[in-house]
Amino acid sequence: EDQVTQSPEALRLQEGESSSLNCSYTVSGLRGLFWYRQDPGKGPEFLFTLYSAGEEKEKERLKATLTKKESFLHITAPKPEDSATYLCAVQAIGEYGNKLVFGAGTILRVKS
Amino acid sequence: DAGITQSPRYKITETGRQVTLMCHQTWSHSYMFWYRQDLGHGLRLIYYSAAADITDKGEVPDGYVVSRSKTENFPLTLESATRSQTSVYFCASRGNSGEQYFGPGTRLTVT
Repeated sequence: EDQVTQSPEALRLQEGESSSLNCSYTVSGLRGLFWYRQDPGKGPEFLFTLYSAGEEKEKERLKATLTKKESFLHITAPKPEDSATYLCAVQAIGEYGNKLVFGAGTILRVKS
Repeated sequence: DAGITQSPRYKITETGRQVTLMCHQTWSHSYMFWYRQDLGHGLRLIYYSAAADITDKGEVPDGYVVSRSKTENFPLTLESATRSQTSVYFCASRGNSGEQYFGPGTRLTVT
């Protein structure tokens, strides 16, 4: 069974204090790993897709990396507006229906 | 406006009533999905559709019915609402690279 575990559950940072969020996954064969941002009361917003180990993607203060067992979302010099829940999801090779399996998310709070 | 929309955004209904949540996308994406999001469970797939008239069950389909007569619409019906179906419901459609784009959600309360 495909599984996604995110850690920590919650993270509090001071503005400018860089850190990383972890997404560990178990999947028969990885087609893609997806990162989303979710603000309170809104739907998840797509950030990145990673397909193979060693791949990296960047967007503003966020950088996502991928290994064979986990992905990291690095947040460099965060600002209060980066506060949100970050979700990780995987899609397995051969998955009929293009279904994603989501982790429970990491709640990030950045204080000024 | 282009994108994916859901209606209503908020709904309160009574136990035993039928309620339909609407989802509309303007991208002509083939795949569409319905999720529910609950504290402690994250996002769980209810039903999905590969194209018009093709639907299949997800992880938690019991008590729900879907239809897809047109590519752009994917309504979700709770045939006889129960308190355990109180949740936030999200509709999504699949982009070209496997990513899913989500609607703003419907917050449903069953009393």
